[in-house]
Amino acid sequence: AQTVTQSQPEMSVQEAETVTLSCTYDTSENNYYLFWYKQPPSRQMILVIRQEAYKQQNATENRFSVNFQKAAKSFSLKISDSQLGDTAMYFCAFMLNNDMRFGAGTRLTVKP
Amino acid sequence: DSGVTQTPKHLITATGQRVTLRCSPRSGDLSVYWYQQSLDQGLQFLIQYYNGEERAKGNILERFSAQQFPDLHSELNLSSLELGDSALYFCASSVDPNSPLHFGNGTRLTVT
Repeated sequence: AQTVTQSQPEMSVQEAETVTLSCTYDTSENNYYLFWYKQPPSRQMILVIRQEAYKQQNATENRFSVNFQKAAKSFSLKISDSQLGDTAMYFCAFMLNNDMRFGAGTRLTVKP
Repeated sequence: DSGVTQTPKHLITATGQRVTLRCSPRSGDLSVYWYQQSLDQGLQFLIQYYNGEERAKGNILERFSAQQFPDLHSELNLSSLELGDSALYFCASSVDPNSPLHFGNGTRLTVT
């Protein structure tokens, strides 16, 4: 089975600054999908951004962007202009053939 | 609102008992996924259905079972409950394999 590793259990950032969350994965497949989900204190799971492995261009959604390095099997999330509402657990996820697996998560705290 | 409905929101029961968690996917979504999230842990994939058929299976215990009905709603049955089964159980749906998952708000199960 594919594995997803998030090596940063906790991170913090000052409001308005930029932070990058790391994610690596292990697979021998070529066509797959990667996601970042956000889980605020309400415990809802909210899709942040999606990347198709066959696309070389990094995905961007407003203040959120990814750095997808397929050869290195790395998929980091950059949050620009951090806001207090960005405080949450962030989960990296890998999907292949109906099977979506999540990393252990990174707890991000945005400080005022 | 993701459009995925899970009931009940909270469930408190005793060890050895059996419970059923229910999930209604978003309108038009054929895939249903079940995940377990223990306190401050990541999401553990349990099982996935597509249009009534089981498509992928994760670390689901033999005491747990699930099914997806013709109207596409799904139920997760947990039996012989143990204290360690206390967790947040998420249902998610997607329109097809490899599409982003949309999560319900979860059912919080407490086993006493």
